Amino acid sequence: GDSVTQMEGPVTLSEEAFLTINCTYTATGYPSLFWYVQYPGEGLQLLLKATKADDKGSNKGFEATYRKETTSFHLEKGSVQVSDSAVYFCALQTDSWGKLQFGAGTQVVVTP
Amino acid sequence: GAVVSQHPSRVICKSGTSVKIECRSLDFQATTMFWYRQFPKQSLMLMATSNEGSKATYEQGVEKDKFLINHASLTLSTLTVTSAHPEDSSFYICSAGAAGGEEAFFGQGTRLTVV
Repeated sequence: GDSVTQMEGPVTLSEEAFLTINCTYTATGYPSLFWYVQYPGEGLQLLLKATKADDKGSNKGFEATYRKETTSFHLEKGSVQVSDSAVYFCALQTDSWGKLQFGAGTQVVVTP
Repeated sequence: GAVVSQHPSRVICKSGTSVKIECRSLDFQATTMFWYRQFPKQSLMLMATSNEGSKATYEQGVEKDKFLINHASLTLSTLTVTSAHPEDSSFYICSAGAAGGEEAFFGQGTRLTVV
């Protein structure tokens, strides 16, 4: 079945450091890939998405490129801020209705 | 993006009582809605898929008689946790998708505490 694997956290960084969160997937067909962010006590917010191979999603300084050859969708940000502290979820979608398979989530802690 | 409203955001109930959680799509017609459950510091697990006007499809291991899902209109789905017990305490979150849409939109989530 479909699955998403992402690096375990917590990831602790200093402000302005470079962030990478690895995400790989297995899926039949051609999934869409997403990164969601969850701030403490809140629901999910879509951070970025890519719907086909080689697409790059970007938002708020975060980027991720859909790599079909390595089945990966790694999240990167060049310079993190304290406000980026949250849990980040990688997810894939193989239907057209929005059903998602989530990775385990990676907690990111950014210190001043 | 589209707006999905989930209510209540927090609820505390006594063991043995039932709790209803509502999920509304405010500015689009949601032909399909999804209900997820999230345990502390864990990922989201899909509980069920509901389609307007038909019975929900439950994931393996989810008790359909305990977690009643109703999707009576294109803008509203409800999850009722029946005869709640402390182990049902969790964060429940819904998402709504439109026909042919590329993505689903999430509600704010409901923190259920059963005491």
